[in-house]
Amino acid sequence: ELKVEQNPLFLSMQEGKNYTIYCNYSTTSDRLYWYRQDPGKSLESLFVLLSNGAVKQEGRLMASLDTKARLSTLHITAAVHDLSATYFCAVEFEPGAASKLTFGTGTRLQVTL
Amino acid sequence: DAGITQSPRYKITETGRQVTLMCHQTWSHSYMFWYRQDLGHGLRLIYYSAAADITDKGEVPDGYVVSRSKTENFPLTLESATRSQTSVYFCASSESGHRANFYGYTFGSGTRLTVV
Repeated sequence: ELKVEQNPLFLSMQEGKNYTIYCNYSTTSDRLYWYRQDPGKSLESLFVLLSNGAVKQEGRLMASLDTKARLSTLHITAAVHDLSATYFCAVEFEPGAASKLTFGTGTRLQVTL
Repeated sequence: DAGITQSPRYKITETGRQVTLMCHQTWSHSYMFWYRQDLGHGLRLIYYSAAADITDKGEVPDGYVVSRSKTENFPLTLESATRSQTSVYFCASSESGHRANFYGYTFGSGTRLTVV
């Protein structure tokens, strides 16, 4: 069974602090996506990680992919309130065929002043 | 406007009724998807389509029907709505379902469906 697990499910952090969200998946894939969702809104693409060792950064967010460990991380540096949202990782399985995304359950991030 | 649009934005329906959720994209993307979002489950794939007239089941297809007569439209029909189908439904599209896809999937704004 294909599984994508995120932890933590909920994260409350103070502004200025650093933290990491983890995304583990159960089967081989070298393609992983991170999305952000604000309450009542759609999903916004943050990062597309396409190979082992891929690292991408945008502002205070940095995502990495370790395909051997089947692990991706989303690191938040010096959090600000605007980063409060739910973050999803999604793994693309069945490369070479009609690929589909399997999502993690999401991490709700709350950044407090 | 270019993009992916879903309608209606909100829908309340009664148990047993048939309801159709619409999805329209203007990019001519080959792949389209329907996901449902429920607390504690993330997003789960209902159906997807690789091209017009080609559809396939996802993780949770029971109780749903899709069609794709035109590339730009991918409606989702609940044949006889049940309370367990109360959810937020997202349509998505993708340029390609294969490894050459560098841009990910683009999601519509969602339809919040309540079955009473």
